[in-house]
Amino acid sequence: EVQLVESGGGLVQPGGSLRLSCAASGFSFSSSWMHWVRQEPGRGLEWVSRIDSGGGSRTYADSVKGRFTISRDNAKNTLFLQMNSLRAEDTAVYYCAVPYFSNAFDIWGQGTMVTVSS
Amino acid sequence: DIQMTQSPSSLSASVGDRVTITCRASQGISNYLAWYQQKPGKVPTFLIHDASTLQSGVPSRFSGSGFGTDFTLTISNLQPEDVATYYCQKYDSAPLTFGGGTKVEIK
Repeated sequence: EVQLVESGGGLVQPGGSLRLSCAASGFSFSSSWMHWVRQEPGRGLEWVSRIDSGGGSRTYADSVKGRFTISRDNAKNTLFLQMNSLRAEDTAVYYCAVPYFSNAFDIWGQGTMVTVSS
Repeated sequence: DIQMTQSPSSLSASVGDRVTITCRASQGISNYLAWYQQKPGKVPTFLIHDASTLQSGVPSRFSGSGFGTDFTLTISNLQPEDVATYYCQKYDSAPLTFGGGTKVEIK
């Protein structure tokens, strides 16, 4: 079964840091581009970042550029999102997603909640 | 960056109605468009890719069309289980922008 499981969310103070993980199974992780998408409470979906299969190409939304870093460990089938200088507006559910059957986001994780508050 | 605009932002229709949601890109994106369904409190699920190709297992009452800048998602026979928010997304190039969403309710 193709599966993505996020972890690492929680409560953090403004200006703080958090590292999210996404454990992949059931597909060829090392061959797949991977993405992070977030959703603020009661709001729409926002694409955050993507990384190519080898980790050499990384792209970010303007809203997180310079603060967030996407990375991956293909040996451990795990995707990461290092989030620094967190702001209240980064409060959201963070999903990892993969284009598996197509070039769109076929598979999504269950999400992990990040709350930035003092 | 290309903006994705969905309309309407919400709609209310009766069971059995035909419902159409529009997604407009600020520049042409060929057919690199997907549609997702998100039921309340749930993870988004993938409905359609390449503007009109239905994902396996998605009911045939869902259909997509369009090319370039104008796209539509149609639900031909609205069912109670279709209550959800629907999002379009471009994936021709980064940023892979989502539309603002259309909330579909039953009258």
